[in-house]
Amino acid sequence: AQSVTQLDSQVPVFEEAPVELRCNYSSSVSVYLFWYVQYPNQGLQLLLKYLSGSTLVKGINGFEAEFNKSQTSFHLRKPSVHISDTAEYFCAVSRVQGAQKLVFGQGTRLTINP
Amino acid sequence: DAGVIQSPRHEVTEMGQEVTLRCKPISGHNSLFWYRQTMMRGLELLIYFNNNVPIDDSGMPEDRFSAKMPNASFSTLKIQPSEPRDSAVYFCASRQQAQGAFFGQGTRLTVV
Repeated sequence: AQSVTQLDSQVPVFEEAPVELRCNYSSSVSVYLFWYVQYPNQGLQLLLKYLSGSTLVKGINGFEAEFNKSQTSFHLRKPSVHISDTAEYFCAVSRVQGAQKLVFGQGTRLTINP
Repeated sequence: DAGVIQSPRHEVTEMGQEVTLRCKPISGHNSLFWYRQTMMRGLELLIYFNNNVPIDDSGMPEDRFSAKMPNASFSTLKIQPSEPRDSAVYFCASRQQAQGAFFGQGTRLTVV
């Protein structure tokens, strides 16, 4: 079975500072990896995905993530955050072959301070 | 495409009543998921369908919960009878193979 661990439940940063949200996964088979963002009172929105190919993936709103197979990590980064990035961020994994369910981490609450 | 559509957006019901949540997935997507989100337990997968067939319902908490997908464009999640501990936000999501899932706006259920 697959599992996802988001290492930080909360991350406070100042506006215009860089941020990294950490995600580690566990799986015995090849996986796809995803990051989602959830703004208050809204559903989850896909930020970016790693399916194959280049390990550096760029997504919406200036976010990017790097897949590291040896460390089983998929950390999310942004070089300069904005107040509007305040939200909950979820890392997720699914198998490449077989069951299509997405397994989510517990989420990281990103708070941007002015 | 209008995205994944859930109804109602909010539901307040009394304990013991039947509750039905509805979902219309994105056309062409072959997988559909029902998730529940609470502060205590985070995002939990309740059940998912592939090509309208239930594949994994191990997350359904009790027999009071049931889900159906009669066709590719409609699914329901039913709770009968409802209890206060069922209060949560319920999300429906759909997905095409090898792509990310797209979520609806959710149904906020309050059982009093």
